[in-house]
Amino acid sequence: AQSVAQPEDQVNVAEGNPLTVKCTYSVSGNPYLFWYVQYPNRGLQFLLKYITGDNLVKGSYGFEAEFNKSQTSFHLKKPSALVSDSALYFCAVRVFDRGSTLGRLYFGRGTQLTVWP
Amino acid sequence: SQTIHQWPATLVQPVGSPLSLECTVEGTSNPNLYWYRQAAGRGLQLLFYSVGIGQISSEVPQNLSASRPQDRQFILSSKKLLLSDSGFYLCAWSVGFGYTFGSGTRLTVV
Repeated sequence: AQSVAQPEDQVNVAEGNPLTVKCTYSVSGNPYLFWYVQYPNRGLQFLLKYITGDNLVKGSYGFEAEFNKSQTSFHLKKPSALVSDSALYFCAVRVFDRGSTLGRLYFGRGTQLTVWP
Repeated sequence: SQTIHQWPATLVQPVGSPLSLECTVEGTSNPNLYWYRQAAGRGLQLLFYSVGIGQISSEVPQNLSASRPQDRQFILSSKKLLLSDSGFYLCAWSVGFGYTFGSGTRLTVV
């Protein structure tokens, strides 16, 4: 079965400091991994994805994530946090049906990031 | 450009009343469509997905149903709402690797 774990419900960091939001996954076959961000009462916004290639993926708003196959992890990082980064972050794995473009997303529980000034 | 519309944005319904949430997609054809639910601000769960008109698959047993009467229209329904149906409902579509979410509907069952 496919699954995604976000071990931290909350991450608190001071503005200007680096941030990391953790994600580990379990999937059969090649993983297609995603990070989304959600602001209060809003839909999900895509941040970045890993499909193949370079293990370090750069995304929107200065975020990046590192795919680590041996540790089955895909942690989200940013070198210098902003107060405006405060939001709910979701890691997800996409599962494609064999021979189909149908790809279901399975999400972690989410991590609430708070950046304090 | 491709867009996804979801309405209403918020809805308060009494227990036992019917439900109909609508999602439409523009700028693409034959998309895969999905309904997700987010309970208590966390944990998105896939409810239904559709690969074409009239084709609906359910991920989890529940009080809800879905229909796809047109290529770019996806409807989430219930005949009788339960308190546990409260949550934030998100529609999404995908073509290839792209995956886009709507702005969501906040449903409160009272």
